[in-house]
Amino acid sequence: AIQLTQSPSSLSASVGDRVTITCRASQDISTSLAWYQQKPGKAPKLLIYDASSLEFGVPSGFSGRGSGTDFTLTISSLQPEDFATYYCQQFKSYPLTFGGGTKVEI
Amino acid sequence: QVQLVESGGGVVQPGRSLRLSCVASGFTFRSYEIHWVRQAPGKGLEWVALISYDGSNKYYADSVKGRFTISRDNSKNTLYLQMSSLRTEDTAVYYCARVRHKTGLDPWGQGTLVTVSS
Repeated sequence: AIQLTQSPSSLSASVGDRVTITCRASQDISTSLAWYQQKPGKAPKLLIYDASSLEFGVPSGFSGRGSGTDFTLTISSLQPEDFATYYCQQFKSYPLTFGGGTKVEI
Repeated sequence: QVQLVESGGGVVQPGRSLRLSCVASGFTFRSYEIHWVRQAPGKGLEWVALISYDGSNKYYADSVKGRFTISRDNSKNTLYLQMSSLRTEDTAVYYCARVRHKTGLDPWGQGTLVTVSS
């Protein structure tokens, strides 16, 4: 199975900060990667698909980059509602897998 | 609006079985691949299984293969997850989610909690 390693596992940041989260795949997954945001007690929400395509309705402050094995999710200016846990997921091969998550805290 | 609603969770003893359901509305259910994803308390997301739009293809995580069966009834807009030989490590919130853009899942249901305990 393809392993996805997210880093860092947690980070502390302030409103207005630029934040970048990394997801590294154990083998080439092209651009078959999604990013999700999850808040406590809620279901995940799709932010980015195809590694860099912004889902409809997601603020433009979110962006995704990468291909192959290295990917990033960037929040250009952290807003109060962005404090959450973020996950990457690969769709290249079965079984599908998620990264371990990155908790963004104040 | 597009919506998925899970049900069927509860407390079950190790070794027993349970069936989860996921009812879809607001979209053409029979046209979409649907997934199950779970999240153990305080842990990350774990992909469980998927079924193709017509039920002809099914894939499972290694951790549930041979114990869980995914199925669907397109006439009832309903997805199922039959879970057998349950283990304490299967305790989690189980979400169903629709594939979107081929490389994303959206929307997700609200989740249903399965607790495996004696």
